[in-house]
Amino acid sequence: EAQVTQNPRYLITVTGKKLTVTCSQNMNHEYMSWYRQDPGLGLRQIYYSMNVEVTDKGDVPEGYKVSRKEKRNFPLILESPSPNQTSLYFCATRVGVSGANVLTFGAGSRLTVL
Amino acid sequence: KQEVTQIPAALSVPEGENLVLNCSFTDSAIYNLQWFRQDPGKGLTSLLLIQSSQREQTSGRLNASLDKSSGRSTLYIAASQPGDSATYLCAVLSYNTDKLIFGTGTRLQVFP
Repeated sequence: EAQVTQNPRYLITVTGKKLTVTCSQNMNHEYMSWYRQDPGLGLRQIYYSMNVEVTDKGDVPEGYKVSRKEKRNFPLILESPSPNQTSLYFCATRVGVSGANVLTFGAGSRLTVL
Repeated sequence: KQEVTQIPAALSVPEGENLVLNCSFTDSAIYNLQWFRQDPGKGLTSLLLIQSSQREQTSGRLNASLDKSSGRSTLYIAASQPGDSATYLCAVLSYNTDKLIFGTGTRLQVFP
C-alpha cells in the first residue's frame, strides 16, 4: 500500500529542546515537501526536495532544517523549537518533479511547543 | 504574489442538496489547480486536479471547473451526503514555480 508515514503524530515539547519529525514514503517518489497548517493561514510550505541531496527553502523555512540523504526519508528538524512553531505539520510527496502530478500527504503531526 | 481565497469559510447544508464551493486566485499564470479534502485529524486527500489548459474535471459526484482568465474555480458536489462533511481546500501551482499555494479552506457539514 502506498504510504507517507509521519512520526510522531502528536508531540508536546518545551522551548529549546531539539526535535525531529520523520517522514518516510514507500512510493519511490523523487519529490518530497513539508508544510505547516495554521488557522486562518492555510498550508504554507517549509522546505522541499526534488531528489536525494537536493533541498530548497519554501515560504516559511526559518527555524527549520531538513535533510534528504536517501530517497524515502525527509526528516524535519527543529533545532531550538519556539512556541510560534506550534502547528500541524504535513509531509507530502509526488512522483517526478512535475507539478502536473498529484501530491500524496501524510496524516499529519501535531506539535505543541510550551 | 499569488493569493488564494475560499468562500465561504464554513457551510452547513441538509443531506441531498447540490452545492458549490468557490476558490479564487489573484495570478492567472498557473500550471494547475487542485482540490483536496481534509478530514479531522487526517491528512489531505487529492480529489481533482485541473491543468491550466482544461476547463473542468469530474470524479463521481464531484465536478471542478476552472476559469483561468477570471481567476476562479468551483467545486460542485451533487446530492451531498453526511460522509461529504470535511474541509475542502484548493491549491494553485503558479507557473514556473514549484510551490502549491493553498487557500484556507471551506469547512462543510452535511446533516441528515
